[in-house]
Amino acid sequence: EDKVVQSPLSLVVHEGDTVTLNCSYEVTNFRSLLWYKQEKKAPTFLFMLTSSGIEKKSGRLSSILDKKELFSILNITATQTGDSAVYLCAVEKNTGNQFYFGTGTSLTVIP
Amino acid sequence: ETGVTQTPRHLVMGMTNKKSLKCEQHLGHNAMYWYKQSAKKPLELMFVYNFKEQTENNSVPSRFSPECPNSSHLFLHLHTLQPEDSALYLCASSQGPQGNYGYTFGSGTRLTVV
Repeated sequence: EDKVVQSPLSLVVHEGDTVTLNCSYEVTNFRSLLWYKQEKKAPTFLFMLTSSGIEKKSGRLSSILDKKELFSILNITATQTGDSAVYLCAVEKNTGNQFYFGTGTSLTVIP
Repeated sequence: ETGVTQTPRHLVMGMTNKKSLKCEQHLGHNAMYWYKQSAKKPLELMFVYNFKEQTENNSVPSRFSPECPNSSHLFLHLHTLQPEDSALYLCASSQGPQGNYGYTFGSGTRLTVV
């Protein structure tokens, strides 16, 4: 059965801390892994990863994929209160329009 | 605004009501999706449309009926729902059927069935 597992489920940190969010997957016919940030309602796209070992960066956020060990991490450095959100990981299959989402990691950054 | 607009933002309906959720995208995307997000559960894919044709129906009960009149509009018709159908319903669109550029999500409709 295809599944995506995110950890931790929730996390509370102080501003300035660095956090690492984890996403492991068991999905056949893997095509890509995506990270989203969900504040209030609409998830917004962060990264799409298709190749192992190539880090993608956007400001204080970065992500990397390990296709051998079947996981990805999302790093956020120098966290700010605006980083508080649920971070969703999704894995896309090659076969049809199949995306499998994890339950998300709820990040709270306190001043 | 993300370019994907959902209405209404909130909906409370009785189990015998009939209502519809609407999604509209102005991004020129070819694929549109309905997702259900329940508390403490992963996003569940419900329906997928590519170029107005339904390509996925993930064992969704018939009380949910999608309609895609064109590539820019997607509806979810609801009738005789159950309280456990209360959830956030998210619409998304993508450039191609395999979301080569990721999804763009709407803000969702928070549905409460009483």
